[in-house]
Amino acid sequence: DAMVIQNPRYQVTQFGKPVTLSCSQTLNHNVMYWYQQKSSQAPKLLFHYYDKDFNNEADTPDNFQSRRPNTSFCFLDIRSPGLGDAAMYLCATSRGFTTSGGSTDTQYFGPGTRLTVL
Amino acid sequence: EDQVTQSPEALRLQEGESSSLNCSYTVSGLRGLFWYRQDPGKGPEFLFTLYSAGEEKEKERLKATLTKKESFLHITAPKPEDSATYLCAVQERSRLTFGEGTQLTVNP
Repeated sequence: DAMVIQNPRYQVTQFGKPVTLSCSQTLNHNVMYWYQQKSSQAPKLLFHYYDKDFNNEADTPDNFQSRRPNTSFCFLDIRSPGLGDAAMYLCATSRGFTTSGGSTDTQYFGPGTRLTVL
Repeated sequence: EDQVTQSPEALRLQEGESSSLNCSYTVSGLRGLFWYRQDPGKGPEFLFTLYSAGEEKEKERLKATLTKKESFLHITAPKPEDSATYLCAVQERSRLTFGEGTQLTVNP
């Protein structure tokens, strides 16, 4: 029944060693998002894909990259993790706004991946 | 820039003691206000969407209301299983801006 799936749930990496986090969805949603959430803080949007269109947030470091090879999957690549990148990484999906109407676009979140950097 | 402020930061209640959480916001073009519940170590779970001032939505012991400047999440006769962080978010265009959350603890 899981609709937004994230793997792995826990990831440990070494300082500077590239890491990839995975997200998949069974909702057939157009939009996929990646958020970073540090302890007791609000989720912070890193970037999102609307279909194949990539939308980066202005303050997202270049160290963070993303790929969306098809509708169902989206990946977060951290090229050279630093200690400050230790956080929970959340994937979310939504239908996306359409020209046919609808004033809101609800985002549904996965369980998250807890990243530890040693 | 959109701003969302939640209060209190933390709230401790006894089982059965009703209360309210506040979410105040400033946004130039509100397309929706969302409430999520987040348990420790998990992703946010969607609760409600509110579209316009005066709107109310209910789910079990939770009721969300919306005015032009703030939203309230009312918790009636809470149970220990209601303990979680409750996040409020506003949507302008395609982006969500989250508040820092209210950490609710309900003691038996």
